[in-house]
Formats: sequence, structure tokens, C-alpha cells
Amino acid sequence: SQKIEQNSEALNIQEGKTATLTCNYTNYSPAYLQWYRQDPGRGPVFLLLIRENEKEKRKERLKVTFDTTLKQSLFHITASQPADSATYLCALMNRDDKIIFGKGTRLHILP
Amino acid sequence: DVKVTQSSRYLVKRTGEKVFLECVQDMDHENMFWYRQDPGLGLRLIYFSYDVKMKEKGDIPEGYSVSREKKERFSLILESASTNQTSMYLCASSFLGLDFNQPQHFGDGTRLSIL
Repeated sequence: SQKIEQNSEALNIQEGKTATLTCNYTNYSPAYLQWYRQDPGRGPVFLLLIRENEKEKRKERLKVTFDTTLKQSLFHITASQPADSATYLCALMNRDDKIIFGKGTRLHILP
Repeated sequence: DVKVTQSSRYLVKRTGEKVFLECVQDMDHENMFWYRQDPGLGLRLIYFSYDVKMKEKGDIPEGYSVSREKKERFSLILESASTNQTSMYLCASSFLGLDFNQPQHFGDGTRLSIL
């Protein structure tokens, strides 16, 4: 069956360290993958998009990788800050033009 | 900045009522989407629209309908509300793009309770 999985447990990271979030998928062939940030009581906010033929994408302290062999995307936040605490969602765009969201990972950056 | 505005942040309705959730975007986006978000289930697509008067079913359209009479406005209708439709409803919009890879811009949601 088709699945998109993110760490179900909350992730606690010490301020200043790199936070790494995982998005794994099964039985999809995504052309693109996006990452969003969601704060409590707010809608998701788009962060980064990576295409299937791109290995890595960066934006300031954010880095996303996409490994179509492993069927996995990693989302890194370097030099993490308490303000980075939020839920992070991955979303993949399948070849039938459907977008599917993961359930999200809650990230806590500890001061 | 893109703004997606949902008409209500909180709404309480009774079982059997017809409920309208309104969404307006100000960036001339072609695509508009309605999702519901539930703990443990994540975001699930109810309906989307890629043009005025066009609509496509998402993954969970049962019990819902939509209306898009103007480009900037997309309405979600619960024909006869039931308690299992209690949820957070999120509207989003995006440019059409060549291959549906455009980022989605979300509103802040409507928390709907059906009693």
C-alpha cells in the first residue's frame, strides 16, 4: 500500500545543534517533494521544494535532500534556534498530479 | 505577500445543519484546495479546483461539496453536518504551474465543531 511516513515521535534538539527530520515513502514515484512548517493554530507555510533529479536544496539554514533510491527525503536545520520549534510536514507530488502530505514531525529546540 | 483568508476561525454547528466555509485568496491563483486536518491523520484533501466552476474530488469528498463561482473564492459545503465532520478545515491556493509543483499557500484554518 502507499505510505508517506515522518517521525511520529516529537524530536527534541539542543539549541545550536542540527535538527534532522525524515520523510520516507512507499509505493509512490514523486516528481517533487515539498517541506512545510506549521505553528500551533496556524496553517502550514511553504519552506522548500526539491525535484526528483535534484540531490540537495538549500535555503539559509535549511537543507533538503531527496534520495529516490532510498525513497527518502531529509530536512536539516543547522544552528537551530528555539524559534524553529514547530511541526514540519513533508508533501510529495505524485505523477498523477496528486499531492499527499505526511502527518508531520513536532520539533522542539531546547534553549 | 499572498493572503488566504478563511471566514471564521471557530464555528459551532448542530448535526444536520448545512454549513458553509468560505475562503478567499488575493493572488489571482488558479488552484484552490480544501483540506481537513485531524490528529494522527494529518492533512487530507477533500476537494480542489483549478479554475472557476471546475472541481475535482480529493481523497475524502463524501459528505462535502464545493463551489467556485469566482476565481478568488472557494466555498466548502457540508450538506448535512455530522459529528464525524468535527475537524480543522484548511483552505489553500497556488498558481497552476506546468506540473502542479507550485507551493501551496494556506489560510489559518477554521476549527469546526458539530454538536
